[in-house]
Amino acid sequence: GAGVSQSPRYKVAKRGQDVALRCDPISGHVSLFWYQQALGQGPEFLTYFQNEAQLDKSGLPSDRFFAERPEGSVSTLKIQRTQQEDSAVYLCASSQLGGNYEQYFGPGTRLTVT
Amino acid sequence: ELKVEQNPLFLSMQEGKNYTIYCNYSTTSDRLYWYRQDPGKSLESLFVLLSNGAVKQEGRLMASLDTKARLSTLHITAAVHDLSATYFCAGSNFGNEKLTFGTGTRLTIIP
Repeated sequence: GAGVSQSPRYKVAKRGQDVALRCDPISGHVSLFWYQQALGQGPEFLTYFQNEAQLDKSGLPSDRFFAERPEGSVSTLKIQRTQQEDSAVYLCASSQLGGNYEQYFGPGTRLTVT
Repeated sequence: ELKVEQNPLFLSMQEGKNYTIYCNYSTTSDRLYWYRQDPGKSLESLFVLLSNGAVKQEGRLMASLDTKARLSTLHITAAVHDLSATYFCAGSNFGNEKLTFGTGTRLTIIP
């Protein structure tokens, strides 16, 4: 079936603009994750949902970052008043509950803040 | 807090040779994952290791887990050019599914 999809794939924002990044998880996957990957680095955890409940948002770097998953399926990561240090690839992943908890990653959204 | 370290960070190897990438983690990790990432692409899951002594193999790649030593290895046998990529290990714990990634090993296979 279809994998995790993300949109847009590329986003250029001027400093101070707000952006919204969308993630469509694999159908039926209960858990959804957002990670941030800076150039040349490993992904870093941002936040995690189980259905519509946000269980962990400890990785969100500031209160400018906000994520939601209102109906337990599609999720949106919003960044307000973007800064240059927000430039990165934002990866979304989803997984089933139970089993080996394997996470399947989307193609990512590359955000460039100018 | 779980910390994951990989070495080496960069690895150039000739086709046909064998090598091992090491992944050390700082505290108990209930699950250990290996991912592959090609330039400009997302992460592809390679292996999930769930228990001490677990060994999994796929083609020229073999992963193992030693929970007592807090060490996982990814062994490459008779490398071919197609294996050139960045490899990440990541750990997680029961009760919190978030993944903590290592810094990655950038592998280049030279003909």
